[in-house]
Amino acid sequence: ELKVEQNPLFLSMQEGKNYTIYCNYSTTSDRLYWYRQDPGKSLESLFVLLSNGAVKQEGRLMASLDTKARLSTLHITAAVHDLSATYFCAVDSSGGSNYKLTFGKGTLLTVNP
Amino acid sequence: EADIYQTPRYLVIGTGKKITLECSQTMGHDKMYWYQQDPGMELHLIHYSYGVNSTEKGDLSSESTVSRIRTEHFPLTLESARPSHTSQYLCASSEWTVGIQYFGAGTRLSVL
Repeated sequence: ELKVEQNPLFLSMQEGKNYTIYCNYSTTSDRLYWYRQDPGKSLESLFVLLSNGAVKQEGRLMASLDTKARLSTLHITAAVHDLSATYFCAVDSSGGSNYKLTFGKGTLLTVNP
Repeated sequence: EADIYQTPRYLVIGTGKKITLECSQTMGHDKMYWYQQDPGMELHLIHYSYGVNSTEKGDLSSESTVSRIRTEHFPLTLESARPSHTSQYLCASSEWTVGIQYFGAGTRLSVL
């Protein structure tokens, strides 16, 4: 059974600081997704990482994937208040093109002025 | 911008009632999913479909049922709602290239 673990689960940081969220998973997979969820809202896709060494960047967020270590990171650079949200990683456990995802518990990020 | 719609957004009902949560997408995606999410918690897959007339149970056992008679429509039904069914239900569909799932706004269900 695929397990996906995120840490930290809660992250309170000051504006302007950098931090990294980690996502570990237990079985082989070459597809990993990051989503953002604002309070009371649905999920929004941020990144999809498809191969070992993949790196994607959008604004102050950068995601990377190491399939050998079964680890993905979401790095936040110079945080701003608008980044406050819950961030989920999800791993495709089905193989092929079935796209059946297992989600981590999420990291609740609060960026304080 | 993904076009996936869920109705109702909020539903408060009494125990024992039958309910159907609607989910429709206009993107022509074959794959569709239902997740259950308690506030501040992770998503649990309860049903999925790879196309018309295809439905499978997900990782989390659920007393709900689903149907997929048309590509664009994936409704979820609870025959007899109980307070333990109180949760948020999220519907998603997946594009075929890299599997990004697009989510609806969700239905918040409260069973009294």
